[in-house]
Amino acid sequence: GAGVSQTPSNKVTEKGKYVELRCDPISGHTALYWYRQSLGQGPEFLIYFQGTGAADDSGLPNDRFFAVRPEGSVSTLKIQRTERGDSAVYLCASSLNGGANEKLFFGSGTQLSVL
Amino acid sequence: QKEVEQNSGPLSVPEGAIASLNCTYSDRGSQSFFWYRQYSGKSPELIMFIYSNGDKEDGRFTAQLNKASQYVSLLIRDSQPSDSATYLCAVNAGATNAGKSTFGDGTTLTVKP
Repeated sequence: GAGVSQTPSNKVTEKGKYVELRCDPISGHTALYWYRQSLGQGPEFLIYFQGTGAADDSGLPNDRFFAVRPEGSVSTLKIQRTERGDSAVYLCASSLNGGANEKLFFGSGTQLSVL
Repeated sequence: QKEVEQNSGPLSVPEGAIASLNCTYSDRGSQSFFWYRQYSGKSPELIMFIYSNGDKEDGRFTAQLNKASQYVSLLIRDSQPSDSATYLCAVNAGATNAGKSTFGDGTTLTVKP
């Protein structure tokens, strides 16, 4: 696609529920990143995929968070037993090959609100 | 102490002036430095990147890097009201960390007509 696509743009859920957030990266980009941004703060790294595998998941806050990228393209971030503190904008980004000097292209994000 | 520090602002400059945005980082092994612009309610958009000490110019934007001082800055010349946004500094640790970026919390810039 022309850019990184994220769905849904907004998600409202109740505490304790399960949610899935989807990211479709730029076509041909092998590297995919998930970040979380809280109000007034910069994006916080969650996980990085190179192809189908999670190359670095050191930013996932706890085991309620999980992400997959089964075919090396679309990725899904899954959050179990949501908590109010999970409310944030979840940003997905992709880059061509995952090189340290490469630019990140961000999607428009999913605003998650946990009531 | 955060790994990447920015003054939160707000920084206010008149139209046509030079806006100077600063960023310091703690990891001496950092190799790549990026400036993103983020409009309210939108996602970050890359505007400048720099890898080597010195200055890098692109149109009205100049990025400056001093690895010895662990300092990177962004200058915006002839500031326009459309430059009003939050500017995020991002730092990549190096080849072993791929494109994983550590972001500062941003500086909010307001350009007044």
